[in-house]
Amino acid sequence: KAGVTQTPRYLIKTRGQQVTLSCSPISGHRSVSWYQQTPGQGLQFLFEYFSETQRNKGNFPGRFSGRQFSNSRSEMNVSTLELGDSALYLCASSRAAGGVNNEQFFGPGTRLTVL
Amino acid sequence: DAKTTQPPSMDCAEGRAANLPCNHSTISGNEYVYWYRQIHSQGPQYIIHGLKNNETNEMASLIITEDRKSSTLILPHATLRDTAVYYCIVRVAGYGGSQGNLIFGKGTKLSVKP
Repeated sequence: KAGVTQTPRYLIKTRGQQVTLSCSPISGHRSVSWYQQTPGQGLQFLFEYFSETQRNKGNFPGRFSGRQFSNSRSEMNVSTLELGDSALYLCASSRAAGGVNNEQFFGPGTRLTVL
Repeated sequence: DAKTTQPPSMDCAEGRAANLPCNHSTISGNEYVYWYRQIHSQGPQYIIHGLKNNETNEMASLIITEDRKSSTLILPHATLRDTAVYYCIVRVAGYGGSQGNLIFGKGTKLSVKP
């Protein structure tokens, strides 16, 4: 079956702009998590959504937000972009929010560059 | 912060077994050990997980010490395509709260050489 898809794959924005990234989970998966990956900080958890509800949030400023739709697709938004927001943004889907045999499947990521 | 310690890099000859160690000395009784890997410029990929028994699947074997303070991921016959960063992650595998999150450390960069 199709994997996790993320759009767009690459994005260039300027400081102060806002951006919306999209994630379509694997069919049947109801949980979507977002991660930011930078060379300096590595992979960091942003937030997790399950059944259209944000279940947990990482240590990121309020400029980072997200939402999940009834079909489990998710979007994340970053407002007032800063140079430090340049990163690979990864989306991961899983059947449920937690559990033992509930591995997360990652998409290819969106590479955001802020100029 | 990540609750695991891994060597930053390792080399392995193609066709040989790659043994990647992970230290998790503060692991709790209800925490599982998960392994993911990330091939350059791709999203992380799930490999295997375990609680206290050794586990094996089509990709790898996971050996967890009896005191559960450390584990080893074994790729039995490493190929060039196994070159990646390997992450060892400890997490509670219950439901709710932060239990779905993965806290990634720096991982081990495995280089498989011909």
